[in-house]
This record gives sequence, C-alpha cells and structure tokens, in this order.
Amino acid sequence: QVQLQEWGAGLVKTSETLSLTCSVSGGFLTGFYWSWIRQSPGKGLEWIGDINYSGTANYSPSLKGRVTISIDTSAKQFSLNLNSATAADTAVYYCSRGRWLSPLDYWGQGMLVAVSS
Amino acid sequence: DIQVTQSPSSLSASVGDRVSITCRASQDIRNGLAWYQQKPGKVPKRLIFGSSNLESGVPPRFSGRGSGTEFTLTISSLQPEDFATYYCLQHNRYPFSFGQGTVLEIK
Repeated sequence: QVQLQEWGAGLVKTSETLSLTCSVSGGFLTGFYWSWIRQSPGKGLEWIGDINYSGTANYSPSLKGRVTISIDTSAKQFSLNLNSATAADTAVYYCSRGRWLSPLDYWGQGMLVAVSS
Repeated sequence: DIQVTQSPSSLSASVGDRVSITCRASQDIRNGLAWYQQKPGKVPKRLIFGSSNLESGVPPRFSGRGSGTEFTLTISSLQPEDFATYYCLQHNRYPFSFGQGTVLEIK
C-alpha cells in the first residue's frame, strides 16, 4: 500500500520560503509523477505542479517563478519550495501520486502551512 | 492553458435523488478528466478517472461520462454518505486544473 506523508515547517514568515517534503513508502517512484496540490481555508483545490522520476517538472502558471519542485529518488522523497511567501499562500498542502491517464490516486494527509508576519 | 468550469457550484438534493454535476473544458481534453469527492477535513478521494473509469471500491451508483469538452458525474441514487464537495480535474494537458467545486447538500 502506497503511503505519502508531508512534512516541513507549519509556520512561515511573510517573504520567506515555504518548504515541504513528501516521503513515499510502499511503492516505487519510477513510472509515476509526484504532485503538489493546495487548498486555502474554505476554498477549492489548486494544482501546484509535479515532477517525474527523471526530474522533469511542470508548474502552475499562477505560481511559476516562485515555485520549485525537486525529487530525491534515493531517499524516496520529493519537495516543494515556494519563495516570497505571502498570507495568500496559507493553505493545506497535499502531496500526491499520479501516472499517465491515472492522476492523483494516492494522497498524503495534508499539512497546514500558515504564512504570517 | 485549459480552463475548467464546473457547475453548479452548489446543489441541494434528497436521499434517493439522481444528481449530475458538469465540467466544461475550454479546449478538447479527450477523456482526460477525473472526479474527486472531499468531505470536510478529509483528503480528496478519487472516484473516476479517464472520464468514465470507476475507481476500485467506489459504489456503482457513481458514473462519469463525456469526452472532448463536456463531462458529467452522475450519482444515480444519493446516499447519506454522498453529501460532500465534488471536484473535477483536467489531466490531459499541462498545466492540470481543477474545477471550482460543487457542494452537494441535503435538502
């Protein structure tokens, strides 16, 4: 059974970098893409971006320029960095797994990150 | 980029009702649409992918159809546990995009 777990700082200061990591257990990284999604309080789901085993990443245009997703295949982890954070980045951040024609099947439990001065 | 418009934004229905939710894509996405259910405080759960493929373990009262630009999620006979928020996801072309969500409430 594949399991994903987000971890990182739950409180980030305004203008600093929001950093989260997702650890993957019970499965392989090969053949899948690894995604980040967020949900602001009381709002809908927002796709942030993803990365494949080879390190090729895709990003949401609304966050492009501020977001970087990286992968550490040996550690079975992938990470999200969002710089110049503002209060609008306060959200529950989810990591997830997908593959071609079968998106976002397994999800982490989500992690609330608050951005505040 | 592909925009996904989901409707209605909210829906009030009774147990046993048949309900449908629609997602329209701004461009042809073939069958690249998935549906998710989310209950308050919980992780989204995938119901359908590839427009009409039912996730393992999801009751058959859920069904999806459509291709190109118009897609529908139908629940044939609402059960109490179905009252939740539903989202569609366009997964045919990057960047992926979610619909705005539909809150399904008990009448």
